[in-house]
Amino acid sequence: DVKVTQSSRYLVKRTGEKVFLECVQDMDHENMFWYRQDPGLGLRLIYFSYDVKMKEKGDIPEGYSVSREKKERFSLILESASTNQTSMYLCASSLRNTEAFFGQGTRLTVV
Amino acid sequence: GQSLEQPSEVTAVEGAIVQINCTYQTSGFYGLSWYQQHDGGAPTFLSYNALDGLEETGRFSSFLSRSDSYGYLLLQELQMKDSASYFCAGPFGGATNKLIFGTGTLLAVQP
Repeated sequence: DVKVTQSSRYLVKRTGEKVFLECVQDMDHENMFWYRQDPGLGLRLIYFSYDVKMKEKGDIPEGYSVSREKKERFSLILESASTNQTSMYLCASSLRNTEAFFGQGTRLTVV
Repeated sequence: GQSLEQPSEVTAVEGAIVQINCTYQTSGFYGLSWYQQHDGGAPTFLSYNALDGLEETGRFSSFLSRSDSYGYLLLQELQMKDSASYFCAGPFGGATNKLIFGTGTLLAVQP
């Protein structure tokens, strides 16, 4: 079975903190994605990566950065957390973008 | 632009048939996927249409019309466990195609 693992299920951080969300996949997928999910807004793409060290902005990259040093790991970084970044964050991986596999999500609360 | 639109909510009764529609902007469109997400869970893949027509997988079918920029998910013999959010999604772009999700449809199955 494909497995996508996110490092934390729940996270509480203070405003201004630097936050790291980690995601690891075990299927040798080229493509990895970070989304945030908010009620009524669906899944919005923050960043994606199509190869090691390669990344592209999604629809809402402001306030975020990413790192992909190894193929299996894709990290999302909140440079200075703000309350409007309180959300559910979902990581996904995919071979050809016809079928994506998701982690269980990290519910981040910024106080 | 790249966006996918869905109705926000659909209600149906057990045993009935329900159709969830998805319309999309055509810029760089490759194909249409469908995902199911139960409350508190991660999205899981249901189906993918690369070509026009109907794809059937058990009680679920998915349809695509590229000339109309439109697709739908058809759920037959509805069961209570089908109550969930359903998302259409598409890989858009060229060599570095990104996976964009629709706004999601909350399906409520009533007894």
